[in-house]
Amino acid sequence: DIQMTQSPSSLSASVGDRVTITCRASQSISSYLNWYQQKPGKTPNLLIYAASSLQSGVPSRFSGSGSGTDFTLTISSLQPEDFATYYCQQSYSTPRTFGQGTKVEIK
Amino acid sequence: QVQLVQSGAEVKKPGASVKVSCKASGYTFTSYGISWVRQAPGQGLEWMGWISGYNGNTNYAQKLQGRVTMTTDTSTSTAYMELRSLRSDDTAVYYCARDGVTTVTRDAFDIWGQGTMVTVSS
Repeated sequence: DIQMTQSPSSLSASVGDRVTITCRASQSISSYLNWYQQKPGKTPNLLIYAASSLQSGVPSRFSGSGSGTDFTLTISSLQPEDFATYYCQQSYSTPRTFGQGTKVEIK
Repeated sequence: QVQLVQSGAEVKKPGASVKVSCKASGYTFTSYGISWVRQAPGQGLEWMGWISGYNGNTNYAQKLQGRVTMTTDTSTSTAYMELRSLRSDDTAVYYCARDGVTTVTRDAFDIWGQGTMVTVSS
């Protein structure tokens, strides 16, 4: 199985901050890396697919980059509605593994 | 609009089975697959398996092999996930999500159901 490791596990940031979350795969997954946002009590929501493609309807302050084993999700200017948990997920092979999540909290 | 609507919350005793449904609308069911993902309270997301809406092919997480069965009914555009021999650590919210029609399609999960809470308790 491909292991997905996110860092940090949590972070505190202020509105307007630039936030970066990293995700590392245990083996190369090309660009088959997706990012989801989940707010408490809510369903996960796709933000970025194929490492860098912005899902329709997602604000442009979200961006993704990387290929192979190392990937990054960046929020260019954190907004109040962005406080949530973020998960990376590989769709290169089955089982479709997720990272453990990164909780973004208000500073 | 494109959506997945799941069945309601369930409470089961240890050793029992549960069957969760996921009804698709707004898209051609047979052109996609469905993955099932669960989330235990306060925990992360765990992929359980996938089923093709086209031909019913399945791919299950190894840890659930033998306890889980995923099926579809193309006449009603509905996917089902049955989990048997329930244990307390199966208590979780169970989600269905739209996936690729084959496992090599490598799609992201772009549409999710609202989730079904399954509680296993004596």
